[in-house]
Amino acid sequence: KQEVTQIPAALSVPEGENLVLNCSFTDSAIYNLQWFRQDPGKGLTSLLLIQSSQREQTSGRLNASLDKSSGRSTLYIAASQPGDSATYLCAVSTGGGNKLTFGTGTQLKVEL
Amino acid sequence: SAVISQKPSRDICQRGTSLTIQCQVDSQVTMMFWYRQQPGQSLTLIATANQGSEATYESGFVIDKFPISRPNLTFSTLTVSNMSPEDSSIYLCSVVAQMGGLADTQYFGPGTRLTVL
Repeated sequence: KQEVTQIPAALSVPEGENLVLNCSFTDSAIYNLQWFRQDPGKGLTSLLLIQSSQREQTSGRLNASLDKSSGRSTLYIAASQPGDSATYLCAVSTGGGNKLTFGTGTQLKVEL
Repeated sequence: SAVISQKPSRDICQRGTSLTIQCQVDSQVTMMFWYRQQPGQSLTLIATANQGSEATYESGFVIDKFPISRPNLTFSTLTVSNMSPEDSSIYLCSVVAQMGGLADTQYFGPGTRLTVL
């Protein structure tokens, strides 16, 4: 059974700092890995999708890497802003059918 | 991307009653899913909503408790039956907007926040 863990569970940083969020998964036979952000009381916003054959994806200030063999992914956020404050979730798709297994989330707060 | 709406956005219900949640997508999609997010926890997949056939449920979820309909490629409903306070959660539908040889980006609705008294 796939298990996904995210470290740290919570993080508070000053504005402008670069930061890294970590995600690990137990079954390396994944189809893809997706990073989401969730704002309080809201649904999920897709940030980046990395296919199993890829090593990284970039979108603006976000960069996600994938090391499938070691079961790890990182989300790098450059020059953090207060608007980045949210819970960040990683999720992996294994087996068939696009079903996602979610991590426990990292609650990020970027302070002025 | 796909634009997904859910109704209701939130509800407060009494124990023993049922609530049906609607999910509407602005384009035809092959795959639709229903997830649950219990307070302080991450998302757990309830079932895959199959168009024209019975939903496929994950371990721990059964059709009698969470009946699902999917009459076409843009719409699905999830019913939470005979509710108890343990059913208080956010319920989210999601879709895969593009299908290729590999899994593609999954998009989520805004969620339905259910409180059971």
